[in-house]
Amino acid sequence: DTAVSQTPKYLVTQMGNDKSIKCEQNLGHDTMYWYKQDSKKFLKIMFSYNNKELIINETVPNRFSPKSPDKAHLNLHINSLELGDSAVYFCASSQGTARNEQYFGPGTRLTVT
Amino acid sequence: QQQVKQSPQSLIVQKGGISIINCAYENTAFDYFPWYQQFPGKGPALLIAIRPDVSEKKEGRFTISFNKSAKQFSLHIMDSQPGDSATYFCAARGGSNYKLTFGKGTLLTVNP
Repeated sequence: DTAVSQTPKYLVTQMGNDKSIKCEQNLGHDTMYWYKQDSKKFLKIMFSYNNKELIINETVPNRFSPKSPDKAHLNLHINSLELGDSAVYFCASSQGTARNEQYFGPGTRLTVT
Repeated sequence: QQQVKQSPQSLIVQKGGISIINCAYENTAFDYFPWYQQFPGKGPALLIAIRPDVSEKKEGRFTISFNKSAKQFSLHIMDSQPGDSATYFCAARGGSNYKLTFGKGTLLTVNP
């Protein structure tokens, strides 16, 4: 059973397009996250939702918009894609926001050409 | 501002040797320090974590050493195996929004 799943796994698109990445977790967690991992493997948090409420919103261009329809899902929509958006995007989930383990999804490799 | 500094960037160890990765942090509000292991093409997975009220935690071949006064913590992998070859990230969490801040990662290669 997949704990945190993401679709698609690979996404190749052209500059200026709009795309979405979907994330689902079946762990019963109440907190979900989006991370960006750049070409140097640096992991940086972008957003976090707790019980469908946005609690972390890092300095991310407003072309990126997360949406949490329910506690088990957190989607990421990106408008007007740019070359610099190319990266691997990871979804993660945890129970609560304090010292609990975050479970990561397999990642979505986004390539903008 | 990088709040968690990790070194070395890469590490090559012979099978059976000890791998040591170091991290230093600045924010005294941090109160949870996990280490993540990431294999190519996979998401990071929690390896071991420590809270600042203990100086050492051991799980199998993996040990975290924590020095609160120096604001440093390290991962020791005993009897390193080729299957341990991966990228290792230290992280720290704390503060008002419980954000997890990652180090830049260490690529560990264990030669057979």
